[in-house]
Amino acid sequence: AQSVTQLDSHVSVSEGTPVLLRCNYSSSYSPSLFWYVQHPNKGLQLLLKYTSAATLVKGINGFEAEFKKSETSFHLTKPSAHMSDAAEYFCVVSDSGGYNKLIFGAGTRLAVHP
Amino acid sequence: ETGVTQSPTHLIKTRGQQVTLRCSSQSGHNTVSWYQQALGQGPQFIFQYYREEENGRGNFPPRFSGLQFPNYSSELNVNALELDDSALYLCASSFPGTGAPYEQYFGPGTRLTVT
Repeated sequence: AQSVTQLDSHVSVSEGTPVLLRCNYSSSYSPSLFWYVQHPNKGLQLLLKYTSAATLVKGINGFEAEFKKSETSFHLTKPSAHMSDAAEYFCVVSDSGGYNKLIFGAGTRLAVHP
Repeated sequence: ETGVTQSPTHLIKTRGQQVTLRCSSQSGHNTVSWYQQALGQGPQFIFQYYREEENGRGNFPPRFSGLQFPNYSSELNVNALELDDSALYLCASSFPGTGAPYEQYFGPGTRLTVT
């Protein structure tokens, strides 16, 4: 069965410093992976997705993620944090059992300090 | 192009009651998925509807049921509400015409509180 583990429940950074949100996945075959962001009282927004093309995936708002099969990781990074990046981030794997069910990690809350 | 909308925004119900949540999918999308997000947790898949038929179901009891209408809008019904049903309910629409994994677009959610 597929699953994702987000290694940090909370991450705190200063504005202008790099962001690293860590995610490991478990899958018996080549997975489809996503990062979603959820701002307070808002729905989920897709940041980026990996679909077995390029291993380095660029998303919106300057975020990117690298798929590393040898490490079963899909970490999310951003070179310079902005105050507006403060939100909950979810690493997600798609269950390709015919209906594209999304399996979410527990989430990482990112705090950005001035 | 309109996004995914959900109604109501907030809802308070009493244990044992029944509730209906509604979702309008994004224009052109024929697939709707429902997720439950308990406080402090990631969303959990409830079920998915494709062309008015249930297409897959997560680990939720039968008192969670749904419908999809010809215009692809959807309802989530929960009978015999329990306190643990208090959560944010998210609807996501998609169009599986471009090959998996196709993107799911989420609505803002309905916050259900059961007292």
